[in-house]
Amino acid sequence: DAGVTQSPTHLIKTRGQQVTLRCSPKSGHDTVSWYQQALGQGPQFIFQYYEEEERQRGNFPDRFSGHQFPNYSSELNVNALLLGDSALYLCASSETGLSGNTIYFGEGSWLTVV
Amino acid sequence: GNSVTQMEGPVTLSEEAFLTINCTYTATGYPSLFWYVQYPGEGLQLLLKATKADDKGSNKGFEATYRKETTSFHLEKGSVQVSDSAVYFCALSDPNFNKFYFGSGTKLNVKP
Repeated sequence: DAGVTQSPTHLIKTRGQQVTLRCSPKSGHDTVSWYQQALGQGPQFIFQYYEEEERQRGNFPDRFSGHQFPNYSSELNVNALLLGDSALYLCASSETGLSGNTIYFGEGSWLTVV
Repeated sequence: GNSVTQMEGPVTLSEEAFLTINCTYTATGYPSLFWYVQYPGEGLQLLLKATKADDKGSNKGFEATYRKETTSFHLEKGSVQVSDSAVYFCALSDPNFNKFYFGSGTKLNVKP
């Protein structure tokens, strides 16, 4: 049973560019959340998708957007990249998004903005 | 609002020493509490969880008890190993949407 898979694992972008990160949830999971983890910090919630809609959003600007597909996979898009967007981006999946359900993380996508 | 505060690291211990990493939280409602571990260059792995007051989560020799009266969820292990060296994150989940709030992490270094 594959866990949460993310791609790409590492990428380097230039300021002002756009990036798309991809995530496939764990089998049987229908809820996908994205987190940003800056170096030396804990993960910060970006947003959560359920039934192809954004259900919750953290304190991130509109440059961060996402999408969920009918097969529950998800994309995170970041436009007009800033140096401060350099971080590890983690995808997490869970069942139905109900409280108390464990979320399972992927290995993450390391984004460096130069 | 919801937030998690955990002790700053790094924590350096000798092998077989006793470990405590403190974690306190602020929450609206009745959150579930978690400890996740992150090894170098990897994502986060669930270590243990507790979903209601007085529950004790345990795994691989690690334990933590959900203390509502002190709003705490301290992580303990009786005898650490070199392989336990990692960053440990305390987290709570919002009771409505399973949105997680993480502490800033505590790095543990265990020396042989």
